[in-house]
Amino acid sequence: AQSVTQLGSHVSVSEGALVLLRCNYSSSVPPYLFWYVQYPNQGLQLLLKYTSAATLVKGINDFEAEFKKSETSFHLTKPSAHMSDAAEYFCAVSEDNQGGKLIFGQGTELSVKP
Amino acid sequence: EAQVTQNPRYLITVTGKKLTVTCSQNMNHEYMSWYRQDPGLGLRQIYYSMNVEVTDKGDVPEGYKVSRKEKRNFPLILESPSPNQTSLYFCASSSRSSHNTQYFGPGTRLTVL
Repeated sequence: AQSVTQLGSHVSVSEGALVLLRCNYSSSVPPYLFWYVQYPNQGLQLLLKYTSAATLVKGINDFEAEFKKSETSFHLTKPSAHMSDAAEYFCAVSEDNQGGKLIFGQGTELSVKP
Repeated sequence: EAQVTQNPRYLITVTGKKLTVTCSQNMNHEYMSWYRQDPGLGLRQIYYSMNVEVTDKGDVPEGYKVSRKEKRNFPLILESPSPNQTSLYFCASSSRSSHNTQYFGPGTRLTVL
C-alpha cells in the first residue's frame, strides 16, 4: 500500500535561510509525487510534481524537489526563504493505475522568522 | 477561468440533519475526489470518481455518500452527520492525461453540533 511520511510537523527558518521539508514515500510501482502548499484559509495549490521524467523538479516560487529512488525520498527545498513562504506544505503520492487516488502526508507547517 | 467550486463554504448543522455539499468543475476532468482535512492527519480521501457513474471508496468513506450523474458535478452527501464529521472538506478534480495532478476547490468548513 502507498504511504507518505513527512518528517517534522513544524519547521521554522529565518528569512533568507535554506528551506528543507522532508518527504519519504512507499509505493509498489514507480510513483507520481507532488508537493502542494496551503496558505492560511485557502485551498491547496500545486507547487511541483514528479512524473518519471527529470529527477530534479522545479516548481513555482523557486521551490524544487529531487526524486531519489534509492532513498524513497522527495524532499522540497528553496535556497532562500521569504516571509510569504509561511504556509502548510503537503507531500502526496499517486500510482498511475489508480485513477483519482492520491495519498497525502500529514503536512509540515513552515514558519519564517524575520 | 478554470476552477473547482464548492458550496457552501461554511456550514453549521446539528447531528442527524442530512446535508449535501456540492462540487463542480469546468475543466472537463474525468476524475473527481473528496477529501477531509483534520489537524495532524493531513488530507484523507473519502471517495473518488473515475468517470460518470463510476465511484470508489477512499480511505475514510464511512458516513458519506457520493454520486456522479454528470461529469462536472460530484456532490458529497452526509445522510446523518455526527460531530466526528466536523472537518474541512475539499473537492478536487484531475484529468486522465495529467498523471493525477489534482486541482482543489476552496474548501467547505463543516461543524456538526
